[in-house]
Amino acid sequence: GAVVSQHPSRVICKSGTSVKIECRSLDFQATTMFWYRQFPKQSLMLMATSNEGSKATYEQGVEKDKFLINHASLTLSTLTVTSAHPEDSSFYICSATTVGAHYEQYFGPGTRLTVT
Amino acid sequence: DQQVKQNSPSLSVQEGRISILNCDYTNSMFDYFLWYKKYPAEGPTFLISISSIKDKNEDGRFTVFLNKSAKHLSLHIVPSQPGDSAVYFCAASSSGSARQLTFGSGTQLTVLP
Repeated sequence: GAVVSQHPSRVICKSGTSVKIECRSLDFQATTMFWYRQFPKQSLMLMATSNEGSKATYEQGVEKDKFLINHASLTLSTLTVTSAHPEDSSFYICSATTVGAHYEQYFGPGTRLTVT
Repeated sequence: DQQVKQNSPSLSVQEGRISILNCDYTNSMFDYFLWYKKYPAEGPTFLISISSIKDKNEDGRFTVFLNKSAKHLSLHIVPSQPGDSAVYFCAASSSGSARQLTFGSGTQLTVLP
């Protein structure tokens, strides 16, 4: 149980275009979803927290107009990187938690974004 | 300011021996701690957790120890297996944090056959 999927697993886009990443909880209802990014050999940095049906809460330094997060249902959250630049190239990972999971977060497999 | 620190970026252990991964934290509000395992190009996988009301939690080959006075936790893996080779992250959370996790920088464990 507690499976989280992400799509796509890998995407290459041109500078200036937008990219959408989907995060789905497959076998549970995710009350809260989180978006992280990870640079090589570094820790996971929390970007934003989203609850179904409400606006995402962004961490300090994360541009909400650049990283659009939509959490339209209890099983789906999307992250859209708008007007992507090469410095946005990174590994993006989502996680989800549910009511009975205490503090455990269940992570998706991640999306490797490369902006050329 | 790193609130969760893993000071050893890497650790090598012989198969069958014990692996000990360490983690220190500075925020005294943290009351729940977790260990995750991560393979390259994959998301982290939850391993084991511990609440601040306990000092030890065991699950099979994995045991987590918490020393609140020292603000230190450790993950013991015994016996270590080659399949345990991965990056291990410790993470911490607090009751008032909306379930957000703060991660350490990770330790690459290599178990040598």
